[in-house]
Amino acid sequence: KQEVTQIPAALSVPEGENLVLNCSFTDSAIYNLQWFRQDPGKGLTSLLLIQSSQREQTSGRLNASLDKSSGRSTLYIAASQPGDSATYLCAVNTGGFKTIFGAGTRLFVKA
Amino acid sequence: GAVVSQHPSRVICKSGTSVKIECRSLDFQATTMFWYRQFPKQSLMLMATSNEGSKATYEQGVEKDKFLINHASLTLSTLTVTSAHPEDSSFYICSARDPGTDPYEQYFGPGTRLTVT
Repeated sequence: KQEVTQIPAALSVPEGENLVLNCSFTDSAIYNLQWFRQDPGKGLTSLLLIQSSQREQTSGRLNASLDKSSGRSTLYIAASQPGDSATYLCAVNTGGFKTIFGAGTRLFVKA
Repeated sequence: GAVVSQHPSRVICKSGTSVKIECRSLDFQATTMFWYRQFPKQSLMLMATSNEGSKATYEQGVEKDKFLINHASLTLSTLTVTSAHPEDSSFYICSARDPGTDPYEQYFGPGTRLTVT
Protein backbone atom coordinates (compact mmCIF):
# COMPACT_ATOMS: atom_id res chain seq x y z
CA LYS A 1 0.00 0.00 0.00
CA GLN A 2 1.46 3.32 -1.09
CA GLU A 3 2.05 5.83 1.68
CA VAL A 4 3.27 9.38 1.23
CA THR A 5 5.01 11.26 4.02
CA GLN A 6 5.96 14.91 4.10
CA ILE A 7 8.54 16.44 6.38
CA PRO A 8 8.45 18.85 8.06
CA ALA A 9 4.79 19.22 8.93
CA ALA A 10 5.27 22.94 9.45
CA LEU A 11 8.02 25.40 8.69
CA SER A 12 8.55 29.08 9.49
CA VAL A 13 11.34 30.98 7.75
CA PRO A 14 12.36 34.60 7.27
CA GLU A 15 11.82 36.21 3.91
CA GLY A 16 14.58 35.61 1.39
CA GLU A 17 15.64 32.24 2.72
CA ASN A 18 16.02 29.24 0.44
CA LEU A 19 14.15 26.18 1.69
CA VAL A 20 13.55 22.53 0.95
CA LEU A 21 10.39 20.54 1.50
CA ASN A 22 10.64 16.78 1.59
CA CYS A 23 8.32 14.05 0.36
CA SER A 24 8.86 10.31 0.62
CA PHE A 25 6.81 7.43 -0.71
CA THR A 26 6.93 3.74 0.11
CA ASP A 27 6.35 2.16 -3.31
CA SER A 28 8.71 3.25 -6.08
CA ALA A 29 6.36 2.00 -8.79
CA ILE A 30 4.84 5.38 -9.54
CA TYR A 31 3.60 6.98 -12.74
CA ASN A 32 4.27 10.56 -11.74
CA LEU A 33 4.61 12.85 -8.74
CA GLN A 34 2.98 16.23 -8.39
CA TRP A 35 3.49 19.16 -6.03
CA PHE A 36 0.53 21.35 -5.17
CA ARG A 37 -0.01 24.53 -3.25
CA GLN A 38 -3.12 25.05 -1.14
CA ASP A 39 -4.05 28.36 0.41
CA PRO A 40 -6.30 28.31 3.51
CA GLY A 41 -9.85 27.36 2.62
CA LYS A 42 -9.00 27.08 -1.05
CA GLY A 43 -8.51 24.37 -3.64
CA LEU A 44 -5.27 23.06 -5.05
CA THR A 45 -2.92 24.78 -7.45
CA SER A 46 -0.59 22.51 -9.37
CA LEU A 47 3.02 23.68 -9.12
CA LEU A 48 5.11 21.00 -10.76
CA LEU A 49 4.58 17.54 -12.16
CA ILE A 50 7.43 15.08 -12.60
CA GLN A 51 7.01 11.97 -14.66
CA SER A 52 8.61 8.77 -13.37
CA SER A 53 11.26 8.98 -16.09
CA GLN A 54 12.29 12.49 -15.13
CA ARG A 55 14.71 13.65 -12.44
CA GLU A 56 13.52 17.20 -11.93
CA GLN A 57 11.27 20.01 -13.06
CA THR A 58 11.69 23.75 -12.67
CA SER A 59 9.25 26.63 -12.69
CA GLY A 60 10.50 30.06 -11.71
CA ARG A 61 11.82 29.92 -8.15
CA LEU A 62 10.61 26.36 -7.71
CA ASN A 63 12.57 23.22 -8.43
CA ALA A 64 11.29 19.72 -7.76
CA SER A 65 13.46 16.64 -7.89
CA LEU A 66 12.55 12.98 -7.98
CA ASP A 67 14.60 9.97 -6.93
CA LYS A 68 12.24 7.13 -7.64
CA SER A 69 14.57 4.37 -6.51
CA SER A 70 14.87 5.83 -3.03
CA GLY A 71 11.25 6.97 -2.90
CA ARG A 72 12.02 10.65 -2.39
CA SER A 73 11.14 14.00 -3.85
CA THR A 74 12.13 17.48 -2.78
CA LEU A 75 10.64 20.86 -3.54
CA TYR A 76 13.19 23.64 -3.45
CA ILE A 77 11.94 27.21 -3.08
CA ALA A 78 14.49 29.91 -3.73
CA ALA A 79 14.40 33.38 -2.20
CA SER A 80 11.18 32.77 -0.30
CA GLN A 81 8.55 35.51 -0.11
CA PRO A 82 5.59 36.11 2.24
CA GLY A 83 3.32 35.25 -0.69
CA ASP A 84 4.75 31.73 -0.67
CA SER A 85 3.03 31.10 2.66
CA ALA A 86 0.66 28.17 2.10
CA THR A 87 0.40 24.43 2.53
CA TYR A 88 2.40 22.40 0.06
CA LEU A 89 1.12 18.95 -0.84
CA CYS A 90 2.99 16.14 -2.50
CA ALA A 91 0.92 13.61 -4.44
CA VAL A 92 1.90 10.35 -6.08
CA ASN A 93 0.09 8.79 -9.00
CA THR A 94 0.39 5.04 -8.81
CA GLY A 95 -0.31 4.50 -12.48
CA GLY A 96 -3.91 3.61 -12.13
CA PHE A 97 -6.43 6.29 -11.40
CA LYS A 98 -5.39 6.72 -7.80
CA THR A 99 -3.48 9.68 -6.49
CA ILE A 100 -2.15 9.42 -2.96
CA PHE A 101 -1.51 12.63 -1.08
CA GLY A 102 0.86 13.44 1.72
CA ALA A 103 -0.37 15.36 4.74
CA GLY A 104 1.36 18.52 3.56
CA THR A 105 3.88 21.01 4.87
CA ARG A 106 2.50 24.30 6.21
CA LEU A 107 4.93 27.05 5.25
CA PHE A 108 5.00 30.50 6.80
CA VAL A 109 7.38 33.08 5.39
CA LYS A 110 7.90 36.04 7.69
CA ALA A 111 8.33 39.51 6.21
CA GLY B 1 -4.49 25.12 -18.64
CA ALA B 2 -7.56 23.01 -18.04
CA VAL B 3 -10.13 24.43 -15.64
CA VAL B 4 -12.41 22.61 -13.24
CA SER B 5 -15.17 24.45 -11.44
CA GLN B 6 -17.25 23.53 -8.42
CA HIS B 7 -20.58 24.84 -7.24
CA PRO B 8 -21.39 25.95 -4.66
CA SER B 9 -18.19 27.15 -3.02
CA ARG B 10 -19.83 27.13 0.40
CA VAL B 11 -23.02 25.57 1.66
CA ILE B 12 -24.66 25.36 5.05
CA CYS B 13 -27.44 22.86 5.56
CA LYS B 14 -29.44 21.49 8.44
CA SER B 15 -28.88 18.02 9.77
CA GLY B 16 -30.99 15.45 7.93
CA THR B 17 -31.19 17.32 4.64
CA SER B 18 -29.37 16.51 1.40
CA VAL B 19 -27.00 18.72 -0.50
CA LYS B 20 -25.67 18.45 -4.05
CA ILE B 21 -22.24 19.60 -5.18
CA GLU B 22 -21.42 20.02 -8.86
CA CYS B 23 -18.07 19.55 -10.53
CA ARG B 24 -17.57 20.71 -14.11
CA SER B 25 -14.68 20.53 -16.53
CA LEU B 26 -14.89 23.79 -18.44
CA ASP B 27 -12.66 23.32 -21.45
CA PHE B 28 -12.16 19.60 -21.80
CA GLN B 29 -14.09 16.39 -21.64
CA ALA B 30 -13.41 14.34 -18.55
CA THR B 31 -14.30 10.69 -18.75
CA THR B 32 -13.12 10.29 -15.19
CA MET B 33 -13.55 12.59 -12.23
CA PHE B 34 -12.56 12.12 -8.62
CA TRP B 35 -14.08 13.24 -5.36
CA TYR B 36 -11.96 13.96 -2.29
CA ARG B 37 -12.73 15.19 1.18
CA GLN B 38 -10.38 17.08 3.43
CA PHE B 39 -10.70 17.58 7.17
CA PRO B 40 -9.02 20.60 8.80
CA LYS B 41 -5.25 20.39 8.70
CA GLN B 42 -5.38 16.98 7.09
CA SER B 43 -4.64 15.83 3.59
CA LEU B 44 -7.03 14.90 0.83
CA MET B 45 -8.65 11.51 1.03
CA LEU B 46 -10.05 9.96 -2.12
CA MET B 47 -13.73 9.11 -1.69
CA ALA B 48 -14.66 7.79 -5.09
CA THR B 49 -13.85 7.68 -8.76
CA SER B 50 -16.63 8.86 -11.03
CA ASN B 51 -16.81 7.37 -14.52
CA GLU B 52 -19.01 8.88 -17.20
CA GLY B 53 -21.86 6.56 -18.05
CA SER B 54 -21.19 4.00 -15.36
CA LYS B 55 -21.35 3.58 -11.62
CA ALA B 56 -18.82 5.25 -9.39
CA THR B 57 -16.11 3.28 -7.65
CA TYR B 58 -16.01 4.01 -3.95
CA GLU B 59 -13.00 3.72 -1.67
CA GLN B 60 -13.12 1.41 1.29
CA GLY B 61 -15.08 2.89 4.17
CA VAL B 62 -17.05 5.37 2.06
CA GLU B 63 -20.82 4.82 2.20
CA LYS B 64 -22.12 4.75 -1.36
CA ASP B 65 -25.69 5.25 -0.22
CA LYS B 66 -24.74 8.36 1.67
CA PHE B 67 -22.48 9.91 -0.93
CA LEU B 68 -24.29 9.57 -4.24
CA ILE B 69 -22.21 10.26 -7.31
CA ASN B 70 -23.60 10.82 -10.77
CA HIS B 71 -21.39 11.43 -13.80
CA ALA B 72 -24.14 12.45 -16.18
CA SER B 73 -21.99 13.86 -18.96
CA LEU B 74 -18.39 14.24 -20.03
CA THR B 75 -18.21 17.61 -18.30
CA LEU B 76 -20.32 17.17 -15.18
CA SER B 77 -20.16 15.03 -12.08
CA THR B 78 -22.30 15.57 -9.00
CA LEU B 79 -21.85 14.50 -5.39
CA THR B 80 -24.98 14.38 -3.26
CA VAL B 81 -24.56 14.09 0.49
CA THR B 82 -27.78 12.49 1.67
CA SER B 83 -29.20 12.89 5.17
CA ALA B 84 -26.25 15.03 6.13
CA HIS B 85 -24.97 15.07 9.69
CA PRO B 86 -22.50 17.39 11.42
CA GLU B 87 -19.72 14.83 11.00
CA ASP B 88 -20.12 15.22 7.21
CA SER B 89 -18.95 18.82 7.53
CA SER B 90 -15.78 18.98 5.49
CA PHE B 91 -14.07 20.45 2.46
CA TYR B 92 -14.98 18.50 -0.68
CA ILE B 93 -12.74 18.78 -3.73
CA CYS B 94 -13.21 17.26 -7.14
CA SER B 95 -10.65 16.68 -9.81
CA ALA B 96 -10.68 15.58 -13.40
CA ARG B 97 -8.25 14.07 -15.84
CA ASP B 98 -7.94 15.38 -19.35
CA PRO B 99 -7.49 12.26 -21.51
CA GLY B 100 -6.12 14.45 -24.28
CA THR B 101 -3.01 15.36 -22.28
CA ASP B 102 0.05 13.43 -21.34
CA PRO B 103 0.81 12.39 -18.60
CA TYR B 104 -2.79 12.48 -17.42
CA GLU B 105 -2.35 15.39 -15.13
CA GLN B 106 -5.16 15.95 -12.63
CA TYR B 107 -6.90 19.29 -12.51
CA PHE B 108 -8.55 20.25 -9.27
CA GLY B 109 -11.62 22.29 -8.56
CA PRO B 110 -11.60 25.09 -5.97
CA GLY B 111 -13.47 22.99 -3.42
CA THR B 112 -16.80 23.21 -1.59
CA ARG B 113 -17.00 23.92 2.12
CA LEU B 114 -19.93 22.00 3.59
CA THR B 115 -21.17 22.86 7.07
CA VAL B 116 -23.96 20.80 8.57
CA THR B 117 -25.68 22.36 11.56
